[in-house]
Amino acid sequence: DIQLTQSPSLLSASVGDRVTITCRASQGISNYLAWYQQKPGKAPKSLIYAASTLQSGVPSRFSGSGSGTEFTLTISSLQPEDFATYYCQHVDSYPLTFGGGTTVEI
Amino acid sequence: EVQLMESGGGLVQPGGSLRLSCAVSGFSLSDHYMDWVRQAPGKGLEWIGHSRIRINSYSIEYAASMKGRFTILRDESSNSLYLQMNSLRTEDTAVYYCARVLGRGYYDYWGQGTLVFVSS
Repeated sequence: DIQLTQSPSLLSASVGDRVTITCRASQGISNYLAWYQQKPGKAPKSLIYAASTLQSGVPSRFSGSGSGTEFTLTISSLQPEDFATYYCQHVDSYPLTFGGGTTVEI
Repeated sequence: EVQLMESGGGLVQPGGSLRLSCAVSGFSLSDHYMDWVRQAPGKGLEWIGHSRIRINSYSIEYAASMKGRFTILRDESSNSLYLQMNSLRTEDTAVYYCARVLGRGYYDYWGQGTLVFVSS
């Protein structure tokens, strides 16, 4: 199975900060990676797919990059509504797996 | 408007069974692949399996820990997806989500989730 390792697991930031989250795959997965945002008590929300394509309606301050084994999610200017937990997921092969999550807190 | 609505969660004893439902609206189930994902309390997301059906093509995959115990079913006439869970264990306690697949395996829409609590 492909393992995804996110870092950091916890990130403290302020409104307006530029934030970067990393997701490393245990083997190459091309660009078959997605990012999701989850707020407490809520369902995940899809942000990015194919490593860098924004889902419809997602603000442009979110961006994704990477291929192979290393990927990043960047929030260019953190907004109050962005404080949440972020997960990466690969769709390269079965079983699909998620990273352990990165919580962005104030 | 695309909507996914899970139901059927609740308290069940170890070894018991439960069937979860995912009613979809705003699109036809026959036009999309669908997955189930779960999240144990305070933990991360875990993929359960997917259901992919097209004319002359049928594919279902499951995570190893759930294969043989969980079955994904579809009723396209009622636009509903199901997760039949048997031989439940305490570690199956989680919120269960259905998600619509946007090509390749990426999700675009998620349901709100339904809580399954396995305990004696």
